Amino acid sequence: EAGVAQSPRYKIIEKRQSVAFWCNPISGHATLYWYQQILGQGPKLLIQFQNNGVVDDSQLPKDRFSAERLKGVDSTLKIQPAKLEDSAVYLCASSRTGIGGYTFGSGTRLTVV
Amino acid sequence: AQSVSQHNHHVILSEAASLELGCNYSYGGTVNLFWYVQYPGQHLQLLLKYFSGDPLVKGIKGFEAEFIKSKFSFNLRKPSVQWSDTAEYFCAVNAGNQGGKLIFGQGTELSVKP
Repeated sequence: EAGVAQSPRYKIIEKRQSVAFWCNPISGHATLYWYQQILGQGPKLLIQFQNNGVVDDSQLPKDRFSAERLKGVDSTLKIQPAKLEDSAVYLCASSRTGIGGYTFGSGTRLTVV
Repeated sequence: AQSVSQHNHHVILSEAASLELGCNYSYGGTVNLFWYVQYPGQHLQLLLKYFSGDPLVKGIKGFEAEFIKSKFSFNLRKPSVQWSDTAEYFCAVNAGNQGGKLIFGQGTELSVKP
């Protein structure tokens, strides 16, 4: 089966600019996750969707981050305005059920300068 | 708050040496446990997982892990490493009452010298 697709692969922006990341999960996977992985740390969950509903966004900085999953398939994650500390790899993952052990995409590496 | 701790930040081994990477978690309830591997330039891949049953779990590429409930540990082992095992390894925990959320350790970078 095709994997989790993410784009862009790399992005460099200046602080206070906005940026958006796109994720296309594996077909049929109802659950979609966005993780943030800062250099030297493990991934941290930002938001979890079940179909097009939000299950967990407790660690999403809602003053600047937003995410949506229209029609329960593709998802976009937006940062506006970006800060230096947002420099990280943003990983998308999907699973058929809500239990862990899912498939990760290759990630988008964001550098904020 | 739940947390996952990996004891070693960077491990350097020679080929054919045995490997053990430590992982401890803090959560008293039912857990699902995972080890992921990230090869240079590649995405996170599942090595093995434990949901229930036999606490000794075998994964891909000769890796295994043992769940010791009394120690809140899930250490990863491989009897003989190869140069191709050079990668970063992440332990992750899913608490039984938190849906699909994974909490990751900070990762252990493994370098295997040929």
